[in-house]
Amino acid sequence: KNQVEQSPQSLIILEGKNCTLQCNYTVSPFSNLRWYKQDTGRGPVSLTIMTFSENTKSNGRYTATLDADTKQSSLHITASQLSDSASYICVVSASSGTYKYIFGTGTRLKVLA
Amino acid sequence: EPEVTQTPSHQVTQMGQEVILRCVPISNHLYFYWYRQILGQKVEFLVSFYNNEISEKSEIFDDQFSVERPDGSNFTLKIRSTKLEDSAMYFCASRVGWDNLNTEAFFGQGTRLTVV
Repeated sequence: KNQVEQSPQSLIILEGKNCTLQCNYTVSPFSNLRWYKQDTGRGPVSLTIMTFSENTKSNGRYTATLDADTKQSSLHITASQLSDSASYICVVSASSGTYKYIFGTGTRLKVLA
Repeated sequence: EPEVTQTPSHQVTQMGQEVILRCVPISNHLYFYWYRQILGQKVEFLVSFYNNEISEKSEIFDDQFSVERPDGSNFTLKIRSTKLEDSAMYFCASRVGWDNLNTEAFFGQGTRLTVV
């Protein structure tokens, strides 16, 4: 069964600190992996997109990594800001003609002043 | 910047009633989706729609659900007889083309449906 699991479930850090969020997936055949940011009560917004051949992708203070062999991804946030407080969701697409995204369970990040 | 818009932002309905959730996708997009998120749970795929027909649907999307693109701009999700467990945030998304790096799906802000 196609699944996407994330850890930790929630995380609290101080402003200015770095953090790393983890994603493990069993989606097959794999097409691409996205990290989304979802503010409370809002729709998800894409941060990064990675394909099978990409190991690292950066978007400002966000850096995503992908290990297609172990089916793991991480999202590293550098120098966190209060506005980073949100849920971060790992989303995987399969390549077998499906149109859907498979969403992970999300990590709820809280950045404190 | 173009965006996916959903209305209403919040709808309260009595169990057994029909509801229609409305979405206006980005104008040049061809693929449309509905997802839902029950409070505290992950986002779940409901249905995808292309070329005026359903492309794929999940096991959640049973006979009480239907989708329609009644005109050139709106994309609707109808729930015929709502149940308490239908209470969730419903997200509409649209994409210009097939799933590759150049065709990102854009999500609307969601409609919070509360069934009482």
